[in-house]
Order: sequence, then C-alpha cells, then structure tokens
Amino acid sequence: EADIYQTPRYLVIGTGKKITLECSQTMGHDKMYWYQQDPGMELHLIHYSYGVNSTEKGDLSSESTVSRIRTEHFPLTLESARPSHTSQYLCASSNLNEQFFGPGTRLTVL
Amino acid sequence: SQKIEQNSEALNIQEGKTATLTCNYTNYSPAYLQWYRQDPGRGPVFLLLIRENEKEKRKERLKVTFDTTLKQSLFHITASQPADSATYLCALGPNNDMRFGAGTRLTVKP
Repeated sequence: EADIYQTPRYLVIGTGKKITLECSQTMGHDKMYWYQQDPGMELHLIHYSYGVNSTEKGDLSSESTVSRIRTEHFPLTLESARPSHTSQYLCASSNLNEQFFGPGTRLTVL
Repeated sequence: SQKIEQNSEALNIQEGKTATLTCNYTNYSPAYLQWYRQDPGRGPVFLLLIRENEKEKRKERLKVTFDTTLKQSLFHITASQPADSATYLCALGPNNDMRFGAGTRLTVKP
C-alpha cells in the first residue's frame, strides 16, 4: 500500500544531542517537504526537495539540514538539539498539487 | 506581508447543521486553494482543491467556494456529524510556496 512513514513518532532527548528524523514514502513522488507545527499554530515549511540531490530551505529559519539521496527517503537532521527545537515535525510528499502527510514526529528537547 | 486568516475561534455546531469555515488571505495571488483536515496528533489529510478560475467545488457533503476578488474561500460541511469534528486547514498554492492557515477547530455535538 502506498504511504508515507515517519519515525520515531515520539522522541525525548537532551540538549546538545544529534538527532535524525526519518521520512519515507512509497508513492514515487518527486516532491517532498518538512514542516514544523506547534500546537494550535500553522504549519511552517522548513525544507523541501524537488527530487534526488535537490534540497531547498523554506521560509522558516531552521538549524536543521536535509538530504535526498533516494527518491523515497528524506531525512531531517539536527546537529545539536536545543529546547527551542521542541515541536511537531511533519513530512509530506506530493504529485502535482495534493500533499500527503506522514503521522509526524513529536520532538521534546530537555 | 502575506497573511492567511481562518475563523479565529473554534466553531461548535449541532449535528445535522451546516458548518461554514472561512479562509481569508492578503498580499497573495494563489493559483489554487486547498482544504485539509487534521485530527489531534496526526498529519493533515487532503480534502479538496479549487483553482483560481473556479467558483465552486463539491465533494459529497463538502462544498468549497473561492472568490479571488474578496480573497476568500468558504468551506461548507452539510449534514454535519460528530465524526466531522477536527481542525480544518486552508492552504494556498503553488506547491513549492504553499502556505497553511492556522486552522479552525470544528466540534459537532450530537
């Protein structure tokens, strides 16, 4: 079944740790996105990719980085986590217009 | 600056009534507008897309209107059910510059 997966679903980690949030999709979509969403607030685009070896920053300043070595995989990395990174991170992919979202990763940095 | 505003307060209605949600935008000329549903702790799910040259779009109990002069979209759910309770987000395209509103929390009471 075509889908989009995110792991882990929940992560509690200490300040200064390096973390990678995983995102994979089986729909063969070229476009993929990372959003950050705080409770009750709008989604903010932090990174996007149009295909393999293509990555761009969104309009929300972020200290994270992404890579796109394979079409189906779009991991997000925080080199040194801080409490200000505590948030919900949502990954999405799209064909033409509609975006398909993963279940999200709830990150808490202590 | 570009801004997307949805109903500022949560919307509570009785089962069977029609729910109407509003999405207003400024300083933006979207090629299309989308509506998504988001349940707590989960990623948004695409519902409907309406293009700038379309006035109205329907899907089962859902209806969306798009007035580019007023810079407004209305999202209607007819014969509402408690299962329709969720947060509804509007999003303005195109994809690489898609922006989401903060959403309106709809509660349908039995």
